[in-house]
Amino acid sequence: DAGVIQSPRHEVTEMGQEVTLRCKPISGHNSLFWYRQTMMRGLELLIYFNNNVPIDDSGMPEDRFSAKMPNASFSTLKIQPSEPRDSAVYFCASSLVGGSTDTQYFGPGTRLTVL
Amino acid sequence: AQSVTQPDIHITVSEGASLELRCNYSYGATPYLFWYVQSPGQGLQLLLKYFSGDTLVQGIKGFEAEFKRSQSSFNLRKPSVHWSDAAEYFCAVALYGQNFVFGPGTRLSVLP
Repeated sequence: DAGVIQSPRHEVTEMGQEVTLRCKPISGHNSLFWYRQTMMRGLELLIYFNNNVPIDDSGMPEDRFSAKMPNASFSTLKIQPSEPRDSAVYFCASSLVGGSTDTQYFGPGTRLTVL
Repeated sequence: AQSVTQPDIHITVSEGASLELRCNYSYGATPYLFWYVQSPGQGLQLLLKYFSGDTLVQGIKGFEAEFKRSQSSFNLRKPSVHWSDAAEYFCAVALYGQNFVFGPGTRLSVLP
């Protein structure tokens, strides 16, 4: 299995631009997670999908952030408009069923820099 | 307040030396406990997890962790560190029906 795939691996954009991050979970996994990692705040859960439905988006920082999962094999995290404080590494993870005991498999991350 | 702490931000050990990384949690109930490792430029990989039963848990890459209820701790250990173990280590906890909360991480450096 190829594991969780994220694209792009690196993104540099200017403030005010729209940014779209993409994720392909492991085939057969029913749960998908988006995390943000920064030096100041560590690893934070942004949103969690189960069977393509958003279950918990309480970690999404503000309305500029949105996430979709149109099918079981694809998800996007969009930031519009982007701001310099959005600079971080964004991870996507997937798990088989999404329970508290379920192992999460992480992608390599997308390093976002907003100038 | 519920929290998970890793008291050591950065640890340096010599190759071949033993290692212990600390993790403490503050929850009303015993959560599920995990250790993940993040190599430079990579995503996180699960090392081991504890749900119940034997309090000493074996994981991959020669790591083990011990759950101590009385101390609310889940410390990670390895008897002999290899240079390839240099990475960031995250403790994570989850209550039943809830999502993971990750600790701040401990960065491990290994001296040759």
